Amino acid sequence: AQSVAQPEDQVNVAEGNPLTVKCTYSVSGNPYLFWYVQYPNRGLQFLLKYITGDNLVKGSYGFEAEFNKSQTSFHLKKPSALVSDSALYFCAVRHNSGYSTLTFGKGTMLLVSP
Amino acid sequence: GAVVSQHPSRVICKSGTSVKIECRSLDFQATTMFWYRQFPKQSLMLMATSNEGSKATYEQGVEKDKFLINHASLTLSTLTVTSAHPEDSSFYICSARDTRQGAHEQYFGPGTRLTVT
Repeated sequence: AQSVAQPEDQVNVAEGNPLTVKCTYSVSGNPYLFWYVQYPNRGLQFLLKYITGDNLVKGSYGFEAEFNKSQTSFHLKKPSALVSDSALYFCAVRHNSGYSTLTFGKGTMLLVSP
Repeated sequence: GAVVSQHPSRVICKSGTSVKIECRSLDFQATTMFWYRQFPKQSLMLMATSNEGSKATYEQGVEKDKFLINHASLTLSTLTVTSAHPEDSSFYICSARDTRQGAHEQYFGPGTRLTVT
C-alpha cells in the first residue's frame, strides 16, 4: 500500500520569507511524486512532479521540491512567499506503473501574511 | 497544461432525486478518469477509476449502485448520484489521464459542489 504524510495542518509564513511544506511518502518500488495546490471551492492545480532524473524539481509559480530517496521525502519550497500563495497544498504519490492511482496527503494550509 | 471541465459547478437537489455530473477532457484524450470526493478541510478520497469503454473500478466502501460512472468516450465521463441523500452532499472532483502515451500528470476538474436538501 502507498501512503503520504503531510505532518503540518497549517504553515504560517510572512511575505518575502522562504517557505517549506513537508511531505513524506511510502510506496513500493520507484515513486512518482506530485504537488498540487487548491484554492477555495476549486479543483486541484498541478504544481510540479518528480518522475526521474534530477532530484531538484522546479515547477509553477516559483515553487520547487527536492526528492530525497533516503528520507522518502518530497518537501515543497519557495524562496520568497507571496500572499497569493495562501492556499491548500497536497502532496501525492503513485507507483511508477501506468495504471497506478494517486494517493494524496491530507493537505497543508499555507497562510502567507502581508 | 491540459484542461478538464466539470458541469455543473454547483447543484442543489432534493433528497431522493438523482444528479448527473459531467467531466470532460478538452484538449486531450483521457483513457482513464478518476472521481474523487472531498469533505471540508479534508483530502481527496478516490471513489472510482474508469477506463474508456470499461466498467468502473470502485474503491472499497463506495456503493457502485449509488454512484454510477460512465466513461463512454475518451473525452467524457459522468457520475450519477442516484437517490441522493443529505449525507451525499460533498465536493466531487474528477480527474483525467492519458495513459497510452505514458503521461504522468493527472489533470483535475474544477469540482462540483453538491448539496442535497
